[in-house]
Amino acid sequence: DQQVKQNSPSLSVQEGRISILNCDYTNSMFDYFLWYKKYPAEGPTFLISISSIKDKNEDGRFTVFLNKSAKHLSLHIVPSQPGDSAVYFCAASGDMGAGKSTFGDGTTLTVKP
Amino acid sequence: ETGVTQTPRHLVMGMTNKKSLKCEQHLGHNAMYWYKQSAKKPLELMFVYSLEERVENNSVPSRFSPECPNSSHLFLHLHTLQPEDSALYLCASSQDLWGDQPQHFGDGTRLSIL
Repeated sequence: DQQVKQNSPSLSVQEGRISILNCDYTNSMFDYFLWYKKYPAEGPTFLISISSIKDKNEDGRFTVFLNKSAKHLSLHIVPSQPGDSAVYFCAASGDMGAGKSTFGDGTTLTVKP
Repeated sequence: ETGVTQTPRHLVMGMTNKKSLKCEQHLGHNAMYWYKQSAKKPLELMFVYSLEERVENNSVPSRFSPECPNSSHLFLHLHTLQPEDSALYLCASSQDLWGDQPQHFGDGTRLSIL
């Protein structure tokens, strides 16, 4: 039973437009949600996070929205740049610790010049 | 430049070999992790160490044996592996075990079992 799902394996966007990556979860005990970005041949790098007590967190071009009632979160990238092309992972964790982070399958974002 | 270094980057071994993966973090973190990433599957947590003590063993077969001699180093000893163990093995660290702490990943070891 996969508790964190990213239903879109891939997304293609034109440079300058908005990229929206989605993530759904099933465990209502999750308290923190994190997004990671991964380039080929590199490990994932942390991008942005949100606590369950918030519904929005913004950092530059990146904004994460959380809808607890729908158990859904999304990452918005505006404007999208070719360097944003990567695999994006959604992860969720609870008070039991970062070691209990559960990751989604990832979404491959391609930003076309 | 990553603060978490993994060696080797690639490893090919037979099923009867014994090898070790090494991870070193230069971030002063207290927690370290081993993950497995198989093709088209999400990251699977294998082991968690906090202050050199193992706090999580996620039903991992005994042919994988972790070792954490100090808070900066983490090893994964491999013995009698199976072909299905071929995967990318990622090491990560975080400041501590709180859920809001992001993890810092190494670039991984690509393991192939012949």
